[in-house]
Amino acid sequence: GAVVSQHPSWVICKSGTSVKIECRSLDFQATTMFWYRQFPKQSLMLMATSNEGSKATYEQGVEKDKFLINHASLTLSTLTVTSAHPEDSSFYICSAATTGTGSQPQHFGDGTRLSIL
Amino acid sequence: AQSVAQPEDQVNVAEGNPLTVKCTYSVSGNPYLFWYVQYPNRGLQFLLKYITGDNLVKGSYGFEAEFNKSQTSFHLKKPSALVSDSALYFCAVRDIRGTSGTYKYIFGTGTRLKVLA
Repeated sequence: GAVVSQHPSWVICKSGTSVKIECRSLDFQATTMFWYRQFPKQSLMLMATSNEGSKATYEQGVEKDKFLINHASLTLSTLTVTSAHPEDSSFYICSAATTGTGSQPQHFGDGTRLSIL
Repeated sequence: AQSVAQPEDQVNVAEGNPLTVKCTYSVSGNPYLFWYVQYPNRGLQFLLKYITGDNLVKGSYGFEAEFNKSQTSFHLKKPSALVSDSALYFCAVRDIRGTSGTYKYIFGTGTRLKVLA
């Protein structure tokens, strides 16, 4: 149980393109979803936290207008990288949590490798 | 602010030997601590957590961790390492945001475990 599906797993696109990444909880309802960015050989950097039906909470330094997050239902959150540039190339990972207290583990998708040419 | 530290970038251990991956934490209040494992180009998989109760926590794949309040540590251990345990390991702590009651997770920098045949 507790499966999170993230797709696409790999995206290569031209600079200036907008890219949408989907994160779905397949067999549970996620009260909270998290979006992370991971650079090579580095830890996860939290970009934003989203709760169903409300605006996402962005971490300091993350551009809200560039990284659009929508959490339309308890099983789906999307991250759209708008007008992507080479510096946005990275490994993006989503996770979902089932409780509002943080006592349960996060369930992670398999990540999306984004390459902007 | 809450934080976790993983002092070792890499740990090498021979197959069959016991392994330890270190994690120390700094939190106000009672810590919610987690260990995750990441294989190449994949998301993170949950191994175990400590919320309350017995200081020795048993998790997936034969891993366990010991919560030590006086030393503020939560080291990951396994009695007999396997080559397939080679991966990137992350320690994480729950961080509550201000008075909002919402939360996020803070991850350590990760420790690469290499089990040598």
